Amino acid sequence: GQNIDQPTEMTATEGAIVQINCTYQTSGFNGLFWYQQHAGEAPTFLSYNVLDGLEEKGRFSSFLSRSKGYSYLLLKELQMKDSASYLCAVSDSNYQLIWGAGTKLIIKP
Amino acid sequence: NAGVTQTPKFRVLKTGQSMTLLCAQDMNHEYMYWYRQDPGMGLRLIHYSVGEGTTAKGEVPDGYNVSRLKKQNFLLGLESAAPSQTSVYFCASSQRLAEYNEQFFGPGTRLTVL
Repeated sequence: GQNIDQPTEMTATEGAIVQINCTYQTSGFNGLFWYQQHAGEAPTFLSYNVLDGLEEKGRFSSFLSRSKGYSYLLLKELQMKDSASYLCAVSDSNYQLIWGAGTKLIIKP
Repeated sequence: NAGVTQTPKFRVLKTGQSMTLLCAQDMNHEYMYWYRQDPGMGLRLIHYSVGEGTTAKGEVPDGYNVSRLKKQNFLLGLESAAPSQTSVYFCASSQRLAEYNEQFFGPGTRLTVL
């Protein structure tokens, strides 16, 4: 079967750094996506990794290790507006996205 | 450029009633998708379309039908609603079905079936 695992909830402090992990087991791999979803809103694209390594985009970075079936999203200099759910999704052998349940990130002042 | 839009935003149905959810996109994308999102679960694919006039089943298609008569529109129908179909429904579209197949989402429809 196909499986994406993420922590259900994390709490961090404004201005700090947080790392959200994602492990996956899928039939094939054609890339891994991270999306952000604020409560009551649509998911929006954050990052895409298809090769091993780190992709940096401003305060957000995403890392991939294909051999370990592992990715993480790193958020630096946390702001209150970063309070949201972060969804990990893997593009499988048919290019369909398999989604994790999401990690709810709570930022405290 | 509105992106992906969905109507309605909210709906309450009684068991056995029918309804159609409309999705429209103005990005000229070939691929369109219907997902449902339930608490504690990842987005689950209901049906998808790889082009005008085509549809295919996703992970959880039972109880739903779809149509893609025009490239820009993708309709999701519930013929006889059940309480298990209470969920938030998202439509999405993408330009390609290949690597870097970023999907763009509509704002969602919150459906309650009593």
